[in-house]
Amino acid sequence: EVPLAESGGGLVKPGGSLRLSCAASGFTFADAWMTWVRQAPGKGLEWVGHITSKTSGETTYYAAPVKGRFTISRDDSKNMLFLQMNSLKIEDTALYYCAKGYCNGLDCHWDDAFHVWGQGTMVTVSS
Amino acid sequence: QSALTQPASVSGSPGQSITISCTGTSSDVGAYKFVSWYQQRPGEAPKLLIFEVGLRPPGVSNRFSGSKSGNTASLTISGLQAEDEGDYYCSSYTTVNTLVVFGGGTKLTVL
Repeated sequence: EVPLAESGGGLVKPGGSLRLSCAASGFTFADAWMTWVRQAPGKGLEWVGHITSKTSGETTYYAAPVKGRFTISRDDSKNMLFLQMNSLKIEDTALYYCAKGYCNGLDCHWDDAFHVWGQGTMVTVSS
Repeated sequence: QSALTQPASVSGSPGQSITISCTGTSSDVGAYKFVSWYQQRPGEAPKLLIFEVGLRPPGVSNRFSGSKSGNTASLTISGLQAEDEGDYYCSSYTTVNTLVVFGGGTKLTVL
């Protein structure tokens, strides 16, 4: 069983939209703060944004390059995380990972240490 | 340009120790104990090696250790093994423009 599995990537024109999904399993998704991280081809990792748990207010926070264009949401009833990407730019081309923060029950690092990662879904923005 | 500065590459022979530096500012590495390190092998997702500067998640070898001094964090890998080859990234909380910043990554080659 794969803990996190992203889907929804593909080829989109500049200015277009795409919705990524991340299916979670094997842990209590409702308790987890979830993060999106991206990696442009041949480049390093870039933090995109996160969403806290419902009990923590389901608060979202975004990196400056995507703020106002990307929206993170979650459906705890379906163990799903989403990334709605609008007004896409060529520089948004990347492999998008969803990730779960580290938590051992006593000490949780939900938003600064990403312990479980999916395999990523590729987004290509090109005309 | 990445917010945290890492050397582009490091190398070492099997059995040796190497250290990868991660230099930030007083707004990120210097301000918080929330520095993490990740290993990424080709074609794979990143793997968390170190969190909170020097703590290891279960299952991570004690050959990996982390430390911090001022605005610079370091990852040391002792007893280098061929399987350690890959890219290594640091990350830190930050107060500037975003919540978490990553380093540009360091490619480790085991000679």
